This record gives sequence, structure tokens and C-alpha cells, in this order.
Amino acid sequence: SQQGEEDPQALSIQEGENATMNCSYKTSINNLQWYRQNSGRGLVHLILIRSNEREKHSGRLRVTLDTSKKSSSLLITASRAADTASYFCATDANQGGKLIFGQGTELSVKP
Amino acid sequence: GAGVSQSPRYKVAKRGQDVALRCDPISGHVSLFWYQQALGQGPEFLTYFQNEAQLDKSGLPSDRFFAERPEGSVSTLKIQRTQQEDSAVYLCASSSRTGARGTEAFFGQGTRLTVV
Repeated sequence: SQQGEEDPQALSIQEGENATMNCSYKTSINNLQWYRQNSGRGLVHLILIRSNEREKHSGRLRVTLDTSKKSSSLLITASRAADTASYFCATDANQGGKLIFGQGTELSVKP
Repeated sequence: GAGVSQSPRYKVAKRGQDVALRCDPISGHVSLFWYQQALGQGPEFLTYFQNEAQLDKSGLPSDRFFAERPEGSVSTLKIQRTQQEDSAVYLCASSSRTGARGTEAFFGQGTRLTVV
């Protein structure tokens, strides 16, 4: 069974707008990671945030982590059509690196 | 190679047939993971190796599923007597380190298994 939930399940925006995806999880974690998956392809790692961190940036990506609420958010600024993909959060509960994934958010960025 | 390689990319199996899925991790990576991804869902953990040792197989759905990594490099996921509910994409991932401080996992393109 999966660790938690992501919302929204689907998000459609115009190019240039920001996209925000949220993830909730259930157990204590060592770190939380966000991955991207294009249709029919493997997952690509985007960013990792450790349990003692609250915010992290990488290019147009901003991730926040609230361990008291067991939630995280991924913000993509100035979105591009090429950002169209499914985005998954995954938690690492310090079990050898095993990841527990959410259901994913399907992002569509219209040009 | 530069990334995680999986083969075959696509596999169609008749119900009851045995299949073997191969994963070549990034050279030198200690940890190797198998995940199962049903259509429209997130990947679900199957099993994990540290070198040749299978440390966690709690996600394997039944005793028809078997994974090995005999030399601590290439891994094979075998499914015996396939059933329609086994249809999914099987993803392999590797990462370089184990221990308390996790690192990112590198995923292969997956093998899409269709059982007919």
C-alpha cells in the first residue's frame, strides 16, 4: 500500500503560471523526494529534502517540508509545456533507501 | 553504461507463462530496488538488495515472484505462472549508498509486462 496522498490528482495550467502540488504521508521519515515521470518513461529524480530541512530550492523548483503536519509541497515556477508530466513524492523512512510513493499528480502545461 | 538499463522494454506473456525481467544497475551502485507500477498509480516497492543480499522482500505480492542478484550487480525479477493482475510496469532503481542518510535513486525505463 502507498504511503500517502497527493493532491491535486490532476492539474492543468497555462505556460508561465506556477504549479503547486501537495503530498501528505503517514510515518516518520528520513527524507522526502520528488520525482517526475513522462508518459511511458522511467522516473527522474528532481529534489531531495531531509527531515531536518524546511525548504529547498533547485532552479525553478521549490520544495517545502512540514514534518509536524507530515506534508510537503512542490512548486514549479514559470511553468513550460515541457514540464507536462506526472509528479510523485516519495518518502524514505530509513529502511535501506526503500521509497514509498504517493499516487502522483498529473500536470498539464498548455502552451 | 551511464544509467540503469532494463530489458526487455516490453513483454507480452500468456497467462501461466514464466517471465524473467533483467536490470543492469549503474556500475558500482550498492543498492538495487524493484518496484511495480500499475496504470495510473505510483510505484509500489517489491524488493531491495544491498550488493548480493536481499534485505527486504516484503513487497513481493506472492511466492510466484522471485528476485536475485547473485554477483551484486545485475538483477533478475522472475514471475512464475503469470496472471493478468501481474500486468504492470516493473521498474528497477539503483543508488550508491546505504545507511541512515538516504540518497536519490536512479530509475530504469521499466519493463511493461502485459499478461494475456
